[in-house]
Amino acid sequence: ETGVTQSPTHLIKTRGQQVTLRCSSQSGHNTVSWYQQALGQGPQFIFQYYREEENGRGNFPPRFSGLQFPNYSSELNVNALELDDSALYLCASSRAGTLNTGELFFGEGSRLTVL
Amino acid sequence: DQQVKQNSPSLSVQEGRISILNCDYTNSMFDYFLWYKKYPAEGPTFLISISSIKDKNVDGRFTVFLNKSAKHLSLHIVPSQPGDSAVYFCAASAGGSSNTGKLIFGQGTTLQVKP
Repeated sequence: ETGVTQSPTHLIKTRGQQVTLRCSSQSGHNTVSWYQQALGQGPQFIFQYYREEENGRGNFPPRFSGLQFPNYSSELNVNALELDDSALYLCASSRAGTLNTGELFFGEGSRLTVL
Repeated sequence: DQQVKQNSPSLSVQEGRISILNCDYTNSMFDYFLWYKKYPAEGPTFLISISSIKDKNVDGRFTVFLNKSAKHLSLHIVPSQPGDSAVYFCAASAGGSSNTGKLIFGQGTTLQVKP
């Protein structure tokens, strides 16, 4: 059983650029959530995808967008990058609709630095 | 507004003693609570969870207590081991155990267990 994998692990961009982060969910999981973790803070919910559609969104502007593909993998796109977008971006997968411990399975994250 | 708060940024305990990590929340709609542990350069990993219909859940050395009237939960680790040294996040959900893709996290508490 493969875990959640994210790419790239580290990247540096400049203000105004666009970035795409990728996530492969854990085998058997059909839901993907994205979180932003700023330095010294807890992860903050960006949005969740289920059945290729956005299924809930946190307090993030529209320049944060995403996709989920038929194989349940996902992308996070951020346009017009700002310095405050510098953070660790975490992807987490789960299987919706099942009674379980409720745990999310997180990837190791993509560390984005905006200069 | 911070709906989930971990007011102690750090905690240091001796190996073999008890570690107690605390978490407060403000939203009465939260009905499921989880603790995650995070090592550097890794994604958060699930530790233990509790439903709002319970006041205690035990899993080996880890026990979570929930006081709904005080909107407070705590994680007890007994006995503490050096390998427990990590950042601990408290998280809450308003959708039960089957809808925890949208978690609200606290800021985290860094636990150091000294040999």
